[in-house]
Amino acid sequence: SQTIHQWPATLVQPVGSPLSLECTVEGTSNPNLYWYRQAAGRGLQLLFYSVGIGQISSEVPQNLSASRPQDRQFILSSKKLLLSDSGFYLCAWSPRGTEAFFGQGTRLTVV
Amino acid sequence: AQSVTQLDSHVSVSEGALVLLRCNYSSSVPPYLFWYVQYPNQGLQLLLKYTSAATLVKGINGFEAEFKKSETSFHLTKPSAHMSDAAEYFCVVGGSPFPRGAQKLVFGQGTRLTINP
Repeated sequence: SQTIHQWPATLVQPVGSPLSLECTVEGTSNPNLYWYRQAAGRGLQLLFYSVGIGQISSEVPQNLSASRPQDRQFILSSKKLLLSDSGFYLCAWSPRGTEAFFGQGTRLTVV
Repeated sequence: AQSVTQLDSHVSVSEGALVLLRCNYSSSVPPYLFWYVQYPNQGLQLLLKYTSAATLVKGINGFEAEFKKSETSFHLTKPSAHMSDAAEYFCVVGGSPFPRGAQKLVFGQGTRLTINP
């Protein structure tokens, strides 16, 4: 069966510090991968998606970037965090088409 | 283009009562429709999905949803609420893919379900 791992679960970072969140999927190959952000009391906003190694598409301009160095690894990064980057970050994967399966999320607080 | 509207931001019911969470969608292509549940500080878990087979879809934890094309609705119901059902619920529409096949999912704003003892 397929599983998705996302870490860390919580993170407190100072403004201006770098960020690296990692997500890995097991039990499948060539998945579509996604990063979402959920601000407090709001729905999910798609940040990035990837259909293959090194192929990243950004949905919204922002202070973040994503990379996919391996087939089942998806990384969300920032060089310098802003207060507005605080939120709940969710990684997800999907087979070709239909539903997505989510990781447990990372609660990021920028102070 | 696709969009989804969850008609209630907060629903409160008594334990044992009927749960009804309302969702309307808009889609220019035959939609895929999903309901996800999110417990506090956790990821989203798929409750059920509609992909153009039976219009009444049964999911986990006793939930079901009915696809009504004429009303562009996909309401979620459960006959008898349990305390463990307290969570945030998201209605999601898909089916209009990004280039190269990535699934574009459009999320509603969520409905917070509270269960009163």
